[in-house]
Amino acid sequence: DQQVKQNSPSLSVQEGRISILNCDYTNSMFDYFLWYKKYPAEGPTFLISISSIKDKNEDGRFTVFLNKSAKHLSLHIVPSQPGDSAVYFCAASPYSGGGADGLTFGKGTHLIIQP
Amino acid sequence: EAGVAQSPRYKIIEKRQSVAFWCNPISGHATLYWYQQILGQGPKLLIQFQNNGVVDDSQLPKDRFSAERLKGVDSTLKIQPAKLEDSAVYLCASSLEIAEAFFGQGTRLTVV
Repeated sequence: DQQVKQNSPSLSVQEGRISILNCDYTNSMFDYFLWYKKYPAEGPTFLISISSIKDKNEDGRFTVFLNKSAKHLSLHIVPSQPGDSAVYFCAASPYSGGGADGLTFGKGTHLIIQP
Repeated sequence: EAGVAQSPRYKIIEKRQSVAFWCNPISGHATLYWYQQILGQGPKLLIQFQNNGVVDDSQLPKDRFSAERLKGVDSTLKIQPAKLEDSAVYLCASSLEIAEAFFGQGTRLTVV
């Protein structure tokens, strides 16, 4: 039973446009959510996170939105750049304090930025 | 600052053989994680250490997998005997308390 779902295996976006990556979760105990970015042959790198007490967190070109009632979060990248081409993993934790404990990852979405 | 170091990068073994992976976390990071990432899946936590103590090993197949972190720094993950379904990338990560995790490049294991 997948507790964190990323239903789009891949997404193609034109350079300069907005990329929107979606993630759904089923476990109501999740309290902290993260996005990781992964390039081929490298480990995932932390991108941005959000606590369940917030509905939005912004960091430069990256914004994460959380809709707790719908158990849905999304990552917006504006504007999209070629270097954003990577696999993006959504992850969730039951610990509200943040950190990397107890993470459950989705399967990932491969974002391709077209020139 | 040096990142999380893992070795080897690649390993090919026959089923029923044993294999070991090594991880050196970022200096000062008390928490160390081992993840298994099967092709097409997200990383799955196998074991978490806090210094040299195990915090969570609920998803570690203990009949064949073992891990240790004897001095609270380096860690090894062992599989004995390996099965075909163990083919995956094994990722090590480390973190300070209540902070983001930093991942190593991983070890890609192929069991034939």
